[in-house]
Amino acid sequence: SSELTQDPAVSVALGQTVRITCQGDSLRGYYASWYQQKPGQAPLLVIYSENNRPSGIPDRFSSSTLGNTGSLTITGAQAEDEADYYCVSRDRSGPWVFGGGTSLTVL
Amino acid sequence: QVQLQESGPGLVKPSETLSLTCSVSGDSISAYYWSWIRQPPGRGLEWIGYIFYSGSTNYNPSLKSRVTISVDTSKNQFSLNLRSVTSADTAFYYCARGRLGDSCYFDSWGQGTLVAVSS
Repeated sequence: SSELTQDPAVSVALGQTVRITCQGDSLRGYYASWYQQKPGQAPLLVIYSENNRPSGIPDRFSSSTLGNTGSLTITGAQAEDEADYYCVSRDRSGPWVFGGGTSLTVL
Repeated sequence: QVQLQESGPGLVKPSETLSLTCSVSGDSISAYYWSWIRQPPGRGLEWIGYIFYSGSTNYNPSLKSRVTISVDTSKNQFSLNLRSVTSADTAFYYCARGRLGDSCYFDSWGQGTLVAVSS
């Protein structure tokens, strides 16, 4: 299946830790990549491969994978982390696919 | 630092073809998976497809019958054609540089361009 399932919305208290999950069969073969999107902006890559962060992404962002579920963890969430988060993976047959997205609220 | 910039009409009539171009600067278009992604207003992201610098393509199965992505290496550009558009194709369209290893990911994005389908 090419589907990736994410919870539509998650909230976290300021300074606490939050995990955003992405579930799909394709994650058994490929790590998810993760994107942050703020209103009116293009998505921004925050995690790729096995827990790699592009330059400039804070180290409070990390990822892990277990079975068919990938997780993005924000340790010590900040107000500026409030955004939509998307995962991406691909099927062995080729198509790349986005998860439906998770809206993160920082309380 | 690679930069991508989408260009094309902001309004397309129903049943016509949506055509966009992505200009790449700061890097050669050789290598990488040059991709198109769209996002209807207020909704999630949808992968449309990519072209590898060699010319091989891969499309979203749900759009495959209407999509063509091409590349012009001499101009460092790649393009999207989406045929027979309807109002459901109204969206922000992004071009992005894709990479593939043990994950697939988009490490550089254009700012996006809104294309409305309306008569």
